[in-house]
Amino acid sequence: DQQVKQNSPSLSVQEGRISILNCDYTNSMFDYFLWYKKYPAEGPTFLISISSIKDKNEDGRFTVFLNKSAKHLSLHIVPSQPGDSAVYFCAASADVGEKLVFGKGTKLTVNP
Amino acid sequence: KAGVTQTPRYLIKTRGQQVTLSCSPISGHRSVSWYQQTPGQGLQFLFEYFSETQRNKGNFPGRFSGRQFSNSRSEMNVSTLELGDSALYLCASSLAPGQDRGYTFGSGTRLTVV
Repeated sequence: DQQVKQNSPSLSVQEGRISILNCDYTNSMFDYFLWYKKYPAEGPTFLISISSIKDKNEDGRFTVFLNKSAKHLSLHIVPSQPGDSAVYFCAASADVGEKLVFGKGTKLTVNP
Repeated sequence: KAGVTQTPRYLIKTRGQQVTLSCSPISGHRSVSWYQQTPGQGLQFLFEYFSETQRNKGNFPGRFSGRQFSNSRSEMNVSTLELGDSALYLCASSLAPGQDRGYTFGSGTRLTVV
């Protein structure tokens, strides 16, 4: 049973435009959500997170939106840059100290 | 400070053999988690250790095991390797469960079983 779903395996956008990566979850106990970025041959690196008490968190070009009623979160990258091309993983945890559950990832390609 | 160090970076083994992977967490981090990444499956949780004790375990067969030492370094072992065990194995560390909701990952060990 996949508790965190990233239904788009890939996404391609033009440089300067907005990238929107989506993530859905099924476990209503999840209360903390994270996005990680992964380049080939490297481990994932933490990008941005959001607690369930918020519906938006912004960090520079990256904004994460959380819709608890729909059990949906999204990552917006504006403007997109070629260096953003990577695999993006959505992750969630049910409580402080609980393991992170990851989605399968979305490969983002930003074309110059 | 140094990041999470995983050794070796690459490994080729034959079916039926066993393998041991090593992970040194960031200095001061006491929690270590292991994940398996395969194409199309994302990151699947293997197990988590804190203070030499396994706190959580994922849905993997008993061939997959791990341990943590008093210096927080961790090893995972896979016995009787199967072709399907070919994957990138990632280790992540955090200060401690409950103190840090985010992990810092190592670069991984790429295991190929032939």
